[in-house]
Amino acid sequence: ELKVEQNPLFLSMQEGKNYTIYCNYSTTSDRLYWYRQDPGKSLESLFVLLSNGAVKQEGRLMASLDTKARLSTLHITAAVHDLSATYFCAVDMRVDHQFYFGTGTSLTVIP
Amino acid sequence: NAGVTQTPKFQVLKTGQSMTLQCAQDMNHNSMYWYRQDPGMGLRLIYYSASEGTTDKGEVPNGYNVSRLNKREFSLRLESAAPSQTSVYFCASRDSSTEAFFGQGTRLTVV
Repeated sequence: ELKVEQNPLFLSMQEGKNYTIYCNYSTTSDRLYWYRQDPGKSLESLFVLLSNGAVKQEGRLMASLDTKARLSTLHITAAVHDLSATYFCAVDMRVDHQFYFGTGTSLTVIP
Repeated sequence: NAGVTQTPKFQVLKTGQSMTLQCAQDMNHNSMYWYRQDPGMGLRLIYYSASEGTTDKGEVPNGYNVSRLNKREFSLRLESAAPSQTSVYFCASRDSSTEAFFGQGTRLTVV
């Protein structure tokens, strides 16, 4: 069974600072997804990474995928309060069609 | 475009009662999923359907049954609700080359 681990689980950071969230997974996969969830809301897709070396950027967020290391990162640049949310990575196992989620990283950006 | 629609949005059940959570998608996706989300546990897969006519157990299937009624609809049934099934339930759909798209969730409380 695929295991997906995120760290940190909780992150409190000041506005204007940079930080990285890590997503490690246990079995070979070349497709990884990042989601955002606001309190009481559903999950919103942020990035779709479909190959080794893929890098996607949207505003202050940048995601990358290293399939050899089985690692994806979500980098936050110059954090702002609006980025406060829980971020999930998810890995796609094509062989069984399952979609495995990490435990999530709860991000709080402090003014 | 409605995307993924779940009903109901909120439900309170007494222990031992049964209910069915409904999910429908209008994106012509082959795969559909039911997850539960509990604090600190991320999203855990209950059941999934890789294509119309097939269903498979996920990580936490005990106490649940599913029906893939047609390509659009995937329902989750609790035959005899227990307090441990108090959770937020999400339905999702996707195709093999896309991310998962989520419904708005059902908040279920079993008393």
